Amino acid sequence: TQLLEQSPQFLSIQEGENLTVYCNSSSVFSSLQWYRQEPGEGPVLLVTVVTGGEVKKLKRLTFQFGDARKDSSLHITAAQPGDTGLYLCAGVPLPGNTGKLIFGQGTTLQVKP
Amino acid sequence: DVKVTQSSRYLVKRTGEKVFLECVQDMDHENMFWYRQDPGLGLRLIYFSYDVKMKEKGDIPEGYSVSREKKERFSLILESASTNQTSMYLCASSLSLYGYTFGSGTRLTVV
Repeated sequence: TQLLEQSPQFLSIQEGENLTVYCNSSSVFSSLQWYRQEPGEGPVLLVTVVTGGEVKKLKRLTFQFGDARKDSSLHITAAQPGDTGLYLCAGVPLPGNTGKLIFGQGTTLQVKP
Repeated sequence: DVKVTQSSRYLVKRTGEKVFLECVQDMDHENMFWYRQDPGLGLRLIYFSYDVKMKEKGDIPEGYSVSREKKERFSLILESASTNQTSMYLCASSLSLYGYTFGSGTRLTVV
């Protein structure tokens, strides 16, 4: 059972466009995290959201945690080729907080110059 | 800068060989994890450890074992490598639930 569903799976856009990636679940999470992974490298943590309704900004990236803590979104404004990569959401589902992260399948983003 | 170091970036092994993948972290983290990453399947947890000499099975432990003799080192062992274990292997460590630090990965090919 895939607890975290990411959409879209693939996204190819032109430099300067905006985009949103979604991470949805029927389960409640204690927190959700977003990672970016470049080819041949391990994922790198971008942000952790903990409180329902929380919004965090990281330069042109805006992360939101749903009010019910079941979903999250990542919005990129004016995408650049350097944003290209695999974006992964991950979280620890409740109840039974074992500390093990569940990962979504990932969204592959390609930003063309 | 905090680090998780995986001993090899690329490995090619023969079917039936015993394979050791090493992971070292310098952050004094209690928790360490081994994942494999395959196209279309995402990251799947193989084993994890919350303390020295402690190990727990993840979602896909079959064909693997682990060792954690020291806090900073977590080793993944493929007892008898098979072609279906060809994959990208990622080690991670964490202090809490709020973020993992990953190594750069080991791309293992079993021929």
